Amino acid sequence: NAGVTQTPKFQVLKTGQSMTLQCAQDMNHNSMYWYRQDPGMGLRLIYYSASEGTTDKGEVPNGYNVSRLNKREFSLRLESAAPSQTSVYFCASSERTAMNTEAFFGQGTRLTVV
Amino acid sequence: AQSVTQLDSHVSVSEGTPVLLRCNYSSSYSPSLFWYVQHPNKGLQLLLKYTSAATLVKGINGFEAEFKKSETSFHLTKPSAHMSDAAEYFCVVGTNKLIFGTGTLLAVQP
Repeated sequence: NAGVTQTPKFQVLKTGQSMTLQCAQDMNHNSMYWYRQDPGMGLRLIYYSASEGTTDKGEVPNGYNVSRLNKREFSLRLESAAPSQTSVYFCASSERTAMNTEAFFGQGTRLTVV
Repeated sequence: AQSVTQLDSHVSVSEGTPVLLRCNYSSSYSPSLFWYVQHPNKGLQLLLKYTSAATLVKGINGFEAEFKKSETSFHLTKPSAHMSDAAEYFCVVGTNKLIFGTGTLLAVQP
């Protein structure tokens, strides 16, 4: 079972460059999420998609855009990367956004912006 | 608004001794609460979840947590630590999305 698959696993960008992080899930989940993880700050929600065709901002959306391409795929785009966006990014999915629903996480993308 | 506070950023125990990782939550209604574990350079895995059924919740790998409404706590415990328990642990409150605590790094000494 693949679960949640993120690509790439590692990336180094120069300030001002753009890139898209890809995420796909094979569990037929309705909801998908992008988090960033920084030391001492836990995981913070960037954007989420409650269902195909919808997206909403989380805690830290500035500098990012997302696309829910279809039910399986949810991509995160950095239009003009900044050093403050150096982080580990996690994609997750859940059956729905109900409060008692477990989320399944990908292995993460470690992004460095120089 | 919902929030969660993990009271210790680092906990160190000896192998074979009990583990206690503390978590307090704030919620305007009865919350769903989770504990996730992250091993080094890995993704996150669900340990256990509370969803207003039994207040004592058993999870994987011998972990359990007790929901105490009067104390707004959801502390994670394990009777006997194993070296493989060394990881970062996150307490999470569920709304229409998951809100994470800042994490507790558990070290297990031989």
